[in-house]
Amino acid sequence: EAEVAQSPRYKITEKSQAVAFWCDPISGHATLYWYRQILGQGPELLVQFQDESVVDDSQLPKDRFSAERLKGVDSTLKIQPAELGDSAMYLCASSHRSGRRVEQFFGPGTRLTVL
Amino acid sequence: DQQVKQNSPSLSVQEGRISILNCDYTNSMFDYFLWYKKYPAEGPTFLISISSIKDKNEDGRFTVFLNKSAKHLSLHIVPSQPGDSAVYFCAASEDTDKLIFGTGTRLQVFP
Repeated sequence: EAEVAQSPRYKITEKSQAVAFWCDPISGHATLYWYRQILGQGPELLVQFQDESVVDDSQLPKDRFSAERLKGVDSTLKIQPAELGDSAMYLCASSHRSGRRVEQFFGPGTRLTVL
Repeated sequence: DQQVKQNSPSLSVQEGRISILNCDYTNSMFDYFLWYKKYPAEGPTFLISISSIKDKNEDGRFTVFLNKSAKHLSLHIVPSQPGDSAVYFCAASEDTDKLIFGTGTRLQVFP
């Protein structure tokens, strides 16, 4: 069964350092989402891609976060510099097209701890 | 401000009985609602959804009820099984595919 792959699964870093997370969506899925889930809260959308284009990045803290999906396949989310409040689970999801009745498939996430 | 709320952080139910998970929302423009289930060390997986033109949707042991006037939805699991033990997230959307998630309810089904 096709799955969304994410790496690393766990990342510990010190504040002020740069971190990067990678996501490989299900093959053929045009839409890719990055979510952040802070402990005790639900996932919050950070950025949505349709192919290589950003559709929604209204909740992405652009002073320190960046995301790219250069070839419209896999994607990288970067934080530079990391802050203590960035400690969270970062989830990637994909769907075969955009649309609110189209199921989003989630990866296992990357758990980030900032010390 | 939390637009989707799950006020019960945890629920414990005996195997075979009914589990009822609740969700409230504040945005009257939401017109599509979903439930996701999440096991430890895995990403959320889609469970069931409902459009605002309906008040009930059923899929096997899972039924979602929507009360638009009360801005409330609930997920019923009957009968509950130990494998249902997980965190359940309610989510809602307006006219885009952006999902607004609740904080989750941890369900534990004991023998």
